[in-house]
Parts: sequence; C-alpha cells; structure tokens
Amino acid sequence: GAVVSQHPSRVICKSGTSVKIECRSLDFQATTMFWYRQFPKQSLMLMATSNEGSKATYEQGVEKDKFLINHASLTLSTLTVTSAHPEDSSFYICSAIEGTGNTIYFGEGSWLTVV
Amino acid sequence: DAKTTQPPSMDCAEGRAANLPCNHSTISGNEYVYWYRQIHSQGPQYIIHGLKNNETNEMASLIITEDRKSSTLILPHATLRDTAVYYCIVSTGGGADGLTFGKGTHLIIQP
Repeated sequence: GAVVSQHPSRVICKSGTSVKIECRSLDFQATTMFWYRQFPKQSLMLMATSNEGSKATYEQGVEKDKFLINHASLTLSTLTVTSAHPEDSSFYICSAIEGTGNTIYFGEGSWLTVV
Repeated sequence: DAKTTQPPSMDCAEGRAANLPCNHSTISGNEYVYWYRQIHSQGPQYIIHGLKNNETNEMASLIITEDRKSSTLILPHATLRDTAVYYCIVSTGGGADGLTFGKGTHLIIQP
C-alpha cells in the first residue's frame, strides 16, 4: 500500500516552545491530509483537515492558533504545536488520501512530550 | 460520534480464523465500510474496505450483509502479530471528511 511518513517519531520539548511535525506522502500525491491526536488508552480524535494550497479546517474544540497546519505541497503537510504545554503531550498521527480518494493511509505517528 | 458498534474485546486462538463483527445500521448508500488496525504505539494500518460486495485481499476478507447494516472482518489464520485494536469505520471516503474512530475491538490472539 501507499506510504505515509511522519517525522520526528518522538520529540521532547520544553513548555512554552513550539514544535513542528511533518507528514509526507512518499509515493503518491495527497490533496487532502488529516491530523489526529490520540491520548493513552483512547481512540484517535480528528483535529483538522489539511487541503493543499488552502487553509485547514479544524474540528470543534481544536484551537487553530495553537495547532498551525500548513499543506504547502501535494506531498507534505506540517503540524506546529505552538506554545506547547504538558497537556499537549500526546500521540499525533497524520493520514492522507491516495488515488481515487477511497483509501486513507496513516503515518507511523509522532510522540510529543512537553516537559 | 462513531457510527459503528463493535465488541470491546475478543480472543482467538493462534492459527484459527478471527471473525470480528461490526454493526453499522445507519450506514448511508454512498458510505464504505473500512477496517483498520492499530498495534500499540503505532499509526493505524489499513486492512480492507468495501461498499456492497464482499472483498478479499492478502490480509483479510470483508463480508458485508446484503442490507449493509453489518459486516465481519475475517483474518483467516490469526497469528500473534495480529493482536491489535481493530477499528470498523463507515465513511464516504471521498476526502470531505476524516475517518471517525470509535473504540474498536481489542483482538487478543492466544498462543
């Protein structure tokens, strides 16, 4: 299947700083990418939909100024957690739609720890 | 809210077929049934999806009832590496919406 890669896989940052997570579709172009967050022992929660060349669409309750999403090309979307706090520590996962739009592939996920 | 209902957990003996049920009684005509699984601390892995017809690939088979209100994912010969949380999701798949994950079924393969 298609490959979606995230980087970094793990990151530790200090409270108050910003951290960027990259999501790349390696062997296909992705007009639409999605960002999820998953807390321990919980299911994935959709944060936002990222469309190439346009502003992201955020789910209710997700702060767009805190979670900046940029989808500058058909193979790359980035999530920047600004002014991170310990409660932002979580597993962040991206996904991308491949081909005709009926199959969605996920990245390996990125563990963020804010200390 | 997720539009599917799955048992929270299931056990299956190694080498046996694992049959994971999913109810999606409110599925719309243009919605697909998707199955993903998530092994601890990894991103979800795509397994299979279907609209009306049964589907089979190298990983699994998907059986969708004629009224489309339920489906079953079949792992024909379960191995220990199949232990994971399995998610059944309904979606149009066209990119308008992200996938909405429920709590899934924690499948435990017993040696």
